[in-house]
Amino acid sequence: AQTVTQSQPEMSVQEAETVTLSCTYDTSESDYYLFWYKQPPSRQMILVIRQEAYKQQNATENRFSVNFQKAAKSFSLKISDSQLGDAAMYFCAYRIKTSGSRLTFGEGTQLTVNP
Amino acid sequence: EPEVTQTPSHQVTQMGQEVILRCVPISNHLYFYWYRQILGQKVEFLVSFYNNEISEKSEIFDDQFSVERPDGSNFTLKIRSTKLEDSAMYFCASSYSGTGLAYEQYFGPGTRLTVT
Repeated sequence: AQTVTQSQPEMSVQEAETVTLSCTYDTSESDYYLFWYKQPPSRQMILVIRQEAYKQQNATENRFSVNFQKAAKSFSLKISDSQLGDAAMYFCAYRIKTSGSRLTFGEGTQLTVNP
Repeated sequence: EPEVTQTPSHQVTQMGQEVILRCVPISNHLYFYWYRQILGQKVEFLVSFYNNEISEKSEIFDDQFSVERPDGSNFTLKIRSTKLEDSAMYFCASSYSGTGLAYEQYFGPGTRLTVT
């Protein structure tokens, strides 16, 4: 069974600084998708960034980028120039490349941004 | 931008009662999902639905749960006899296709279910 692990329950960062959230996963699949979702206090799930496992290039979306290490099964999220609005719970998620397959989520990392 | 909607936003029910949570997926999407999140815990998959039938379900999705697409737009989750431990946020999601470019699952805002 696939598992996703986020070992940092809480992280904090100063506004305008950079922070990295860690995620590891376990799978026997060779091709799959990885995601980072943001959950603000409203509890809405918002997709931040996605990575396809067969792509070696790390995904980037504005201030958000990932460090995807396939061999190590590691998928970290880097947030640059942190803003107060980035404060939220961040979930790492995994999905196999089959139609309609489930997302498997990690436990989440609560990010605090200090002014 | 199209979005997934869910009603109600908050439902309070007594233990043993039946509840129906409603979702309107994005109109051209083909795959529908329910997830739940107990307060302070991670999001857990319940069930996926495609072509008017369940395509996958988790061990959480026991006989107390059922899903239905009663018409061309709604997707519902029914809990027949609620338990205290069913208290959670329930998220509906939809995707156009599970593979290819349109693999992204779009989440609704959630329904907070409180069982007393």
